Amino acid sequence: DGGITQSPKYLFRKEGQNVTLSCEQNLNHDAMYWYRQDPGQGLRLIYYSQIVNDFQKGDIAEGYSVSREKKESFPLTVTSAQKNPTAFYLCARSPDRVSSYGYTFGSGTRLTVV
Amino acid sequence: KNEVEQSPQNLTAQEGEFITINCSYSVGISALHWLQQHPGGGIVSLFMLSSGKKKHGRLIATINIQEKHSSLHITASHPRDSAVYICAVGSGATNKLIFGTGTLLAVQP
Repeated sequence: DGGITQSPKYLFRKEGQNVTLSCEQNLNHDAMYWYRQDPGQGLRLIYYSQIVNDFQKGDIAEGYSVSREKKESFPLTVTSAQKNPTAFYLCARSPDRVSSYGYTFGSGTRLTVV
Repeated sequence: KNEVEQSPQNLTAQEGEFITINCSYSVGISALHWLQQHPGGGIVSLFMLSSGKKKHGRLIATINIQEKHSSLHITASHPRDSAVYICAVGSGATNKLIFGTGTLLAVQP
């Protein structure tokens, strides 16, 4: 997983329910990101965090919330205010300075509203 | 118009063929990324480049900063190369990624 772990792999949400997606990294990187992927569209940024206790809204933050209490953890909560939450969610961490490969992504969480 | 455009959207090739996927962008960038996404959904970063050319095995990525264009080449393609290939650029003060919509590649045996 390249040092970044997402869970669960599949998640089902009932109408009006909040759910939390987990993202953990063990490589002591500062910057972490949450993206949403819908069929036929490019990934879109939900939230990002560059340091502990600080995070910024991305392009589609409405209906989502995050926290960054620890450097290694950046959980995403999909709230009941998100009216169309069914999507594939990806967490990522920034490249390390010596890598030529770029960002590292988690394996993703597929969220479905039931 | 999207800030990152990829072509083609879909590509079918025979095993062994040389493959090229193109990416054009319209914003200033700090780096360009090529990513691979397999049917299970996980994304693997293939290249991060800001100039010139990089090679990893059968994969080659080039970028022309003046023309705002990058290409991903796959030599001696194989069915296991079948995936979605995504171009993304890092832009702005926070270096956020802007993604293309991807190229679906199918390599037939």
